[in-house]
Amino acid sequence: EPEVTQTPSHQVTQMGQEVILRCVPISNHLYFYWYRQILGQKVEFLVSFYNNEISEKSEIFDDQFSVERPDGSNFTLKIRSTKLEDSAMYFCASSLGVPQSDTQYFGPGTRLTVL
Amino acid sequence: AQKITQTQPGMFVQEKEAVTLDCTYDTSDPSYGLFWYKQPSSGEMIFLIYQGSYDQQNATEGRYSLNFQKARKSANLVISASQLGDSAMYFCAMRERSGGSYIPTFGRGTSLIVHP
Repeated sequence: EPEVTQTPSHQVTQMGQEVILRCVPISNHLYFYWYRQILGQKVEFLVSFYNNEISEKSEIFDDQFSVERPDGSNFTLKIRSTKLEDSAMYFCASSLGVPQSDTQYFGPGTRLTVL
Repeated sequence: AQKITQTQPGMFVQEKEAVTLDCTYDTSDPSYGLFWYKQPSSGEMIFLIYQGSYDQQNATEGRYSLNFQKARKSANLVISASQLGDSAMYFCAMRERSGGSYIPTFGRGTSLIVHP
């Protein structure tokens, strides 16, 4: 069964460093998403991406965040200058159809620890 | 105001029993979708079930069913015949059209523990 994959599973970085989190969505899916979950808290939407551009973003997704689909398979989240409060689990998801009704399939997550 | 409210931080159930996890939502949009996800201790998010606001029937997927009461704005998840592997966090989520966007909102989750 096709699945969303994410690398690395765990990333440790120093405050102020740039990190890139990588995702490979399900191959025929058209919509891609990033979410984060601070430990013990609820899942929060960051951004959705369709047709090579951002379609929605939340207030959390400020100028230090960016997303890219550099080739036909990868979908990346870049945090330019990490802060302690960026420590969280980051989930990538993808869906075949429109966000309001179609099922989003989540990857296993990348745990980001900022020291 | 919270868009999604899960009032049960923790629930316990005996194996093979049924359990209901509560979810209420708040929206003024007539078109919305409601989702339940399971998050085991390993951390991944697993889609369980979807209910559209215009769906006439309650959604069912195997042992999972969604008790959708539109007038009360509730979308409770019912797990029948609980198994030990059902022990996990369960999140209710909603996607509504807000200002032209479909940004999803998650509840704070309910931790379910299934006892043998």
